[in-house]
Amino acid sequence: GAGVSQSPSNKVTEKGKDVELRCDPISGHTALYWYRQSLGQGLEFLIYFQGNSAPDKSGLPSDRFSAERTGGSVSTLTIQRTQQEDSAVYLCASSAGGGWSYGYTFGSGTRLTVV
Amino acid sequence: AQSVAQPEDQVNVAEGNPLTVKCTYSVSGNPYLFWYVQYPNRGLQFLLKYITGDNLVKGSYGFEAEFNKSQTSFHLKKPSALVSDSALYFCAVSPNYGGSQGNLIFGKGTKLSVKP
Repeated sequence: GAGVSQSPSNKVTEKGKDVELRCDPISGHTALYWYRQSLGQGLEFLIYFQGNSAPDKSGLPSDRFSAERTGGSVSTLTIQRTQQEDSAVYLCASSAGGGWSYGYTFGSGTRLTVV
Repeated sequence: AQSVAQPEDQVNVAEGNPLTVKCTYSVSGNPYLFWYVQYPNRGLQFLLKYITGDNLVKGSYGFEAEFNKSQTSFHLKKPSALVSDSALYFCAVSPNYGGSQGNLIFGKGTKLSVKP
């Protein structure tokens, strides 16, 4: 597609439930990133996929968080047993092979609210 | 630890006046620096980047930024602000260099408010 697409745009879930957030990157972009944006906290790196390489999971805050990228394209971020502190906007970005030298293209994000 | 600081949570400017949004960084080696803008309910949009070369970088929408190595700063500037520039601005630095890619480290963001 023309841009990075994220779904759903908004998600309200009960504490303890699992959620899945989806990201469709720009076609042909080999790198895909997940960030979390919390109020007053800026953007927090979560995970990074590059081609067929093992993902960089160093930013995942706990083992309740996981992500996969199927076929080098669509990615799903899963949060198990959600907690109220997981409430945030989850942003996905993709880039061509050059990564930072080409800049990222961000999706509009998924606003997650845990009640 | 590598980090980015945006010391101002909010910057208020009158339309037509020059604006500056401050950013300082701490990174080993040669930094790669970026500015992104986020409009309400939208994703982040790339404004400009510094990789190497001229310290004054020009980007989208009339914005520019000056890389100052001695002060480890990369302040965003615009000669004449517009009301439509009102948004959240993020400075970012790449913790990697030498050709590798990876995640960017973002500052906490500065809210720019331009009043008519």
